[in-house]
Amino acid sequence: AQKVTQAQTEISVVEKEDVTLDCVYETRDTTYYLFWYKQPPSGELVFLIRRNSFDEQNEISGRYSWNFQKSTSSFNFTITASQVVDSAVYFCALSVGGTSYGKLTFGQGTILTVHP
Amino acid sequence: DSGVTQTPKHLITATGQRVTLRCSPRSGDLSVYWYQQSLDQGLQFLIQYYNGEERAKGNILERFSAQQFPDLHSELNLSSLELGDSALYFCASSVVGQEGSPLHFGNGTRLTVT
Repeated sequence: AQKVTQAQTEISVVEKEDVTLDCVYETRDTTYYLFWYKQPPSGELVFLIRRNSFDEQNEISGRYSWNFQKSTSSFNFTITASQVVDSAVYFCALSVGGTSYGKLTFGQGTILTVHP
Repeated sequence: DSGVTQTPKHLITATGQRVTLRCSPRSGDLSVYWYQQSLDQGLQFLIQYYNGEERAKGNILERFSAQQFPDLHSELNLSSLELGDSALYFCASSVVGQEGSPLHFGNGTRLTVT
C-alpha cells in the first residue's frame, strides 16, 4: 500500500520569506510518480509538478523548486521569496505505475499562509 | 483553467436523496477519475473510467456509482445520501497511454447534505 505523509499541517510566513513544504512517501513499487498540487481558497486543485521514480533531478520553475531524494523517500517543495498569492493548501501525492496509475494517494496537505 | 468541467458547482440536498454530478474531461483525454475531499478523510480516490469502461476502484461506497458515456463525459451518482457524504467531489482526466501524464482536476462540486 502507498502512503504519503506531510508532517507540517500549517505553516505561516511573512512575505519574501523562503518556505519548504515536506513530503515523505512510502511504496514498494519501483515505478512510481510523485505530484504536487495547490488548492487555493477558491477550491480548485492546480497541478504543479510531476516526477517519476527514475528521475531524481531537481527542478526549478520560477520561484518554485522541488528536491526529490529516493534515499530518504522525500519530495520536498520550496517556494522562494513567498508572496501572498502563494497562500493555499499544498498536497503531495503518489501514484504507482501500471493499471493503478491515476489512483493518487494524497497526503493530508499543508496549509500555507503568507502574511504581507 | 484545467479544461475539466464539473457541474453543478454547489448542490444542497436532504438525507435520503439522490444526486448526479457531471464531468466533462479535457479534450482528448479518455480517462476520467472521481475523487472525494472531506475534512475527516482528506482526498480519496473513488473510481476511474477509461473510454467507457471501469478501470479501477477505490474507496467508493456501494451507494455510489459512476459511468462514462460514449462522448466521454462522466456522471457520479450518489444515492441514499447521508450527512457524512457532504464533501467536495472532484473529477479529473488524463491522457491515457502516457503513463506519468498528470491528472488535471476540475473545480469540484461541493455537496452539502442536510
